[in-house]
Amino acid sequence: GDSVTQMEGPVTLSEEAFLTINCTYTATGYPSLFWYVQYPGEGLQLLLKATKADDKGSNKGFEATYRKETTSFHLEKGSVQVSDSAVYFCALSNGKTSYDKVIFGPGTSLSVIP
Amino acid sequence: SQTIHQWPATLVQPVGSPLSLECTVEGTSNPNLYWYRQAAGRGLQLLFYSVGIGQISSEVPQNLSASRPQDRQFILSSKKLLLSDSGFYLCAWARGAGSNYGYTFGSGTRLTVV
Repeated sequence: GDSVTQMEGPVTLSEEAFLTINCTYTATGYPSLFWYVQYPGEGLQLLLKATKADDKGSNKGFEATYRKETTSFHLEKGSVQVSDSAVYFCALSNGKTSYDKVIFGPGTSLSVIP
Repeated sequence: SQTIHQWPATLVQPVGSPLSLECTVEGTSNPNLYWYRQAAGRGLQLLFYSVGIGQISSEVPQNLSASRPQDRQFILSSKKLLLSDSGFYLCAWARGAGSNYGYTFGSGTRLTVV
């Protein structure tokens, strides 16, 4: 079945460092891909998405490009801030059924230190 | 605009007591609704989803149940809580029928069973 794999965390970076969180997926057809962010004690928020191959999703300085040839959707940010400390979830939706189930990866915890 | 409300935000309940968590959505009709659980330091586990009033599908067997008495109301219940039911419970909604918009999550309920 469909699945999402993320790099193991936790990831600790210094402020202004470059961030990459790897995400790869297994799915039939052409799924939509998402990154969600969960700040401490809160629910998940949609960070960005891409719905077809070669699309680039971007938001708040974060970017991810839908690479069908490598089945990847890596999250990047050029300069992280302390406020980016959170758990990041990669996810996919195949939209094949009426309930439109989203498959989540296990999450990657990011800590940014001043 | 659409909003999703979850309550209560935190709950401490003794083992064997009943549970009722409520989720409501505003600003949309006939949403797909979902209940997820997030155990401490772990990923998201889909518990139940619903595509319409009275239609509930369970993803994992457990002592929890869900109901959808109204179009935009989703309730998670238990007759007798177990210690293992502790966790962070998240409600989410999505547009139906093959949408690729992803989910919108509520702010969550942190349940501690003592």
